[in-house]
Amino acid sequence: NAGVTQTPKFQVLKTGQSMTLQCAQDMNHEYMSWYRQDPGMGLRLIHYSVGAGITDQGEVPNGYNVSRSTTEDFPLRLLSAAPSQTSVYFCASSYLAESYEQYFGPGTRLTVT
Amino acid sequence: DAKTTQPPSMDCAEGRAANLPCNHSTISGNEYVYWYRQIHSQGPQYIIHGLKNNETNEMASLIITEDRKSSTLILPHATLRDTAVYYCIVRVREYSSASKIIFGSGTRLSIRP
Repeated sequence: NAGVTQTPKFQVLKTGQSMTLQCAQDMNHEYMSWYRQDPGMGLRLIHYSVGAGITDQGEVPNGYNVSRSTTEDFPLRLLSAAPSQTSVYFCASSYLAESYEQYFGPGTRLTVT
Repeated sequence: DAKTTQPPSMDCAEGRAANLPCNHSTISGNEYVYWYRQIHSQGPQYIIHGLKNNETNEMASLIITEDRKSSTLILPHATLRDTAVYYCIVRVREYSSASKIIFGSGTRLSIRP
């Protein structure tokens, strides 16, 4: 199993550009989520999904959209990038929402200038 | 908001036991205590979890006080590879909006040779 994969590893955007961060898992996990981590801080939950077709907001959802059309993929879309969205983004998955262990991807480092 | 309080940093000599405290004085009866760690620039990694009994696995031990208002993660023989930020999290096990993982600031553990 590849586990949780994220692409790209690094990205630089200009203010106002849009892009999609990709996240995929091959473990047949129902629950997937996105976090952002700013320098020196803990992770903050952006959006999560408990299964295909179901998504919900986390702590900091503004400026981000998600969809879950398949069990494997959970892309995060930035509609109009802002410098405040400069961060490291982590995707995570678990078998169920209540599963005790979440598996995290390696992260995407995003810089918005 | 995170429901736990942890010291921002600690250090420990290599080979010694590292004891990381966590305060969760408002924990509910159906909330579990989880520990994750994040080695520099990587995604967080699950360590251990518990409800009220002490738990041990190949990575660590978790000691929860009888009133469940605090806990301690013990790394029995710390190595340089244990240098990381350690997060203590409380969450419910059954699926609900409360079951999502909310990270606080964590404890930065430094292992000195």
